[in-house]
Amino acid sequence: AQKITQTQPGMFVQEKEAVTLDCTYDTSDQSYGLFWYKQPSSGEMIFLIYQGSYDEQNATEGRYSLNFQKARKSANLVISASQLGDSAMYFCAMREGRSSGAGSYQLTFGKGTKLSVIP
Amino acid sequence: NAGVTQTPKFRVLKTGQSMTLLCAQDMNHEYMYWYRQDPGMGLRLIHYSVGEGTTAKGEVPDGYNVSRLKKQNFLLGLESAAPSQTSVYFCASSYLTGSYEQYFGPGTRLTVT
Repeated sequence: AQKITQTQPGMFVQEKEAVTLDCTYDTSDQSYGLFWYKQPSSGEMIFLIYQGSYDEQNATEGRYSLNFQKARKSANLVISASQLGDSAMYFCAMREGRSSGAGSYQLTFGKGTKLSVIP
Repeated sequence: NAGVTQTPKFRVLKTGQSMTLLCAQDMNHEYMYWYRQDPGMGLRLIHYSVGEGTTAKGEVPDGYNVSRLKKQNFLLGLESAAPSQTSVYFCASSYLTGSYEQYFGPGTRLTVT
């Protein structure tokens, strides 16, 4: 079973509108973290936002917010007031706890959602 | 601070050739990682290191070797390149504490013909 599922291969949004990018995850760990990264056409990976499994409030960073629903195992990214520069691939990723005993803190990525912002 | 840097940015190899990708970070991070990204896929972990002198296998380690002789450097080696190793390779590093957010290098685009 996939650990991170992003069901939207591509999304379109009108400039200045809000958009939600879906992410569901699968883990049996109690301690884990969820990340969103942006990858523009230039190729670099840009960290956007982080949510810890014990954080009671949804994370926010400027125009980005993470809609964390622990019981449903979802961690959707909300981008408010979309801008043309938001057009990019967006990846959801999960860091699981020390379940392996190795403490690697490696990230498992979803396949990504390509967001296109329309003027 | 340069952050995480990768050398080279682009490389073309012939099947059977070898090469080493260099990753360097100046943030004093303990953890370092190598990922590959293929079209339509997210990043997949190749190998990682939790400190100087230690390395471990990730999800897709076959055909690759790594070394971490210095804390700031993490090398990825391909001993005998295959076309299936055509990919974009990303290095990342992270702290031991907090969110363990990973900082990524700019990537290396490798083509094996």
